[in-house]
Amino acid sequence: DGGITQSPKYLFRKEGQNVTLSCEQNLNHDAMYWYRQDPGQGLRLIYYSQIVNDFQKGDIAEGYSVSREKKESFPLTVTSAQKNPTAFYLCASSSGPLNSPLHFGNGTRLTVT
Amino acid sequence: DQQVKQNSPSLSVQEGRISILNCDYTNSMFDYFLWYKKYPAEGPTFLISISSIKDKNEDGRFTVFLNKSAKHLSLHIVPSQPGDSAVYFCAASAVHNQGGKLIFGQGTELSVKP
Repeated sequence: DGGITQSPKYLFRKEGQNVTLSCEQNLNHDAMYWYRQDPGQGLRLIYYSQIVNDFQKGDIAEGYSVSREKKESFPLTVTSAQKNPTAFYLCASSSGPLNSPLHFGNGTRLTVT
Repeated sequence: DQQVKQNSPSLSVQEGRISILNCDYTNSMFDYFLWYKKYPAEGPTFLISISSIKDKNEDGRFTVFLNKSAKHLSLHIVPSQPGDSAVYFCAASAVHNQGGKLIFGQGTELSVKP
């Protein structure tokens, strides 16, 4: 079954620690995205990558970093510089053409205390 | 600056009746619009889309209407079913001008009561 796998589903960290969220896809999609969902704010774009070894900042990239060393993988690191890291994080991919719909993973709920 | 707005955070509808979810946008460069449906603790799933060259697109019980002059789109679900209860996000992109990044609205939580 093709799809996007995000792990873990729930993640707890202490303030000041970096944490990396995993996203793997077997859809052979070129483009991958990271979004953050907060109550009442919809989905906001953190980073995206249109091709391997290339990525761009989205609207709220501060405090986050990504890498795209393989087509299948697009991990997101939430650094200690991110002021409000507690959120629901969603990874997505698309086949490339700009009007192709996004396929989303089931998300990771990160709680930082 | 919220370029895509869903002003109703929630909507409650009786089973069998029509559900109408609304979305407004401010960026006149947007030329492609999508609706996603999201259940709790899951990722959104694509529902239906419309290009700015059309004013209506229909897929089964779901119809999206686009009014470009009013910068408004709506999703009609008829007849509504309890399984339609979810959060619905509209999204827009400027495919030919601004790199095609999707901008999402805040979401509307639909509750369909039996």
